[in-house]
Amino acid sequence: DAGVTQSPTHLIKTRGQQVTLRCSPISGHKSVSWYQQVLGQGPQFIFQYYEKEERGRGNFPDRFSARQFPNYSSELNVNALLLGDSALYLCASSRPGSPQEAFFGQGTRLTVV
Amino acid sequence: DQQVKQNSPSLSVQEGRISILNCDYTNSMFDYFLWYKKYPAEGPTFLISISSIKDKNEDGRFTVFLNKSAKHLSLHIVPSQPGDSAVYFCAASARDFGNEKLTFGTGTRLTIIP
Repeated sequence: DAGVTQSPTHLIKTRGQQVTLRCSPISGHKSVSWYQQVLGQGPQFIFQYYEKEERGRGNFPDRFSARQFPNYSSELNVNALLLGDSALYLCASSRPGSPQEAFFGQGTRLTVV
Repeated sequence: DQQVKQNSPSLSVQEGRISILNCDYTNSMFDYFLWYKKYPAEGPTFLISISSIKDKNEDGRFTVFLNKSAKHLSLHIVPSQPGDSAVYFCAASARDFGNEKLTFGTGTRLTIIP
C-alpha cells in the first residue's frame, strides 16, 4: 500500500508569494492533518480535516488555509510568504479506528528567500 | 508554553545495550501518547503508542512506560541497533480537544555506537 504522498518535495519561493502544497492520504484514511516543522523543533499542528470539514486549527495566522477534497486529498495554502515560513511541511493521515495514530508523508521542504 | 518536553537533545548508546528516551508533559488533559522516529529527509514514522489507562505497552524491541502521577513517559529500546540511530519525538493528544491534534516534543537525537 502506498503511504502518504506529498508534492512537491522541495520548493523555493520569494517573500510575498503564495504557495500550495499537496497531500494524498493512505487509502482508506479520511483524516488529514498538516504540521510545520522548523529546524530544531518538533512538528507544530496547523490544521486537521476530516470528511472535508475542518476539525482543528493551530496557532497560525490567517495566511495559512487548507481544504480537503472528496477523495480525501488535501491542499495547504500559504499567502504572503515570510522568511519565517521556511520549514518542512508535513502531512499526516489516520485511519478511522485509530484517529490519534498519524502516519506522515516525507514532507515538503519550503524555502522562502 | 512547551506542553511536551524532551530535555535530552541527544543520547549515545553502545550497540546491544538499552536506550532510554524520556519525555515529560504538563497538560493533564493528554490521554494518548506516541513515539515517532525520524530519519533525515523523511517524515516521522510511528513507532509505538500508549493510552493513559495503561502504564506499559510493548512491541518487539520497543516498550513505552507511562507514569501519570509524574506526567512522565519513557521509551526503552532493547537491544539497540545501528538502524535505531535517528531523532525520536514524543507526542501527546487529548480526545477532549475534539480533534486528533498531536503536540510534539523537540526531539532527542539517538546515536547507536557500533
